[in-house]
Amino acid sequence: QKEVEQDPGPLSVPEGAIVSLNCTYSNSAFQYFMWYRQYSRKGPELLMYTYSSGNKEDGRFTAQVDKSSKYISLFIRDSQPSDSATYLCAMSEGAGNMLTFGGGTRLMVKP
Amino acid sequence: NAGVMQNPRHLVRRRGQEARLRCSPMKGHSHVYWYRQLPEEGLKFMVYLQKENIIDESGMPKERFSAEFPKEGPSILRIQQVVRGDSAAYFCASSKSNIAGDTQYFGPGTRLTVL
Repeated sequence: QKEVEQDPGPLSVPEGAIVSLNCTYSNSAFQYFMWYRQYSRKGPELLMYTYSSGNKEDGRFTAQVDKSSKYISLFIRDSQPSDSATYLCAMSEGAGNMLTFGGGTRLMVKP
Repeated sequence: NAGVMQNPRHLVRRRGQEARLRCSPMKGHSHVYWYRQLPEEGLKFMVYLQKENIIDESGMPKERFSAEFPKEGPSILRIQQVVRGDSAAYFCASSKSNIAGDTQYFGPGTRLTVL
């Protein structure tokens, strides 16, 4: 079993839809949770960074962390074709520690 | 502000040759991390360095791979005697510190192809 599980997709949605992306994990020591966006043949770009459980909102993006269920989510409102990319969840046990990534979910937003 | 810079962006080597990958962190960042992304797989941690020190190399293969981050100049990931299985995208990330709130920012990657 992988330490961080993420549905690879692809997830195809129409423009304007609300997108829900999720990861589950097994290591209860994870404290820091991140979402990265990666366009084809590019480096990962940080979208959201949260510590411990709770919600965080930034523009069209909302990140949720439920440590009791070992489950994190990223919601994208009013999705745009430019949101089409692979979304990677990442987590670490401590600040400055190595990141453990999910395998990524490929999202396609159709005009 | 320049982000994390990596070069070369693409590198082709024949089996048995050496590959040297370079990473210049963001300005003001003194922590560097290397990750590898194999085809159809997620990113896997390799090594974490600060200036002149290796902090965590738990993800580095035991043989042929080494990394350094000298006092002056970029961080170098060195792969000796490359094999076809080393073909992957290698990403460098940097952070300002190792305290809460300072997370890792990634470079564009070096795509290594071993013929």
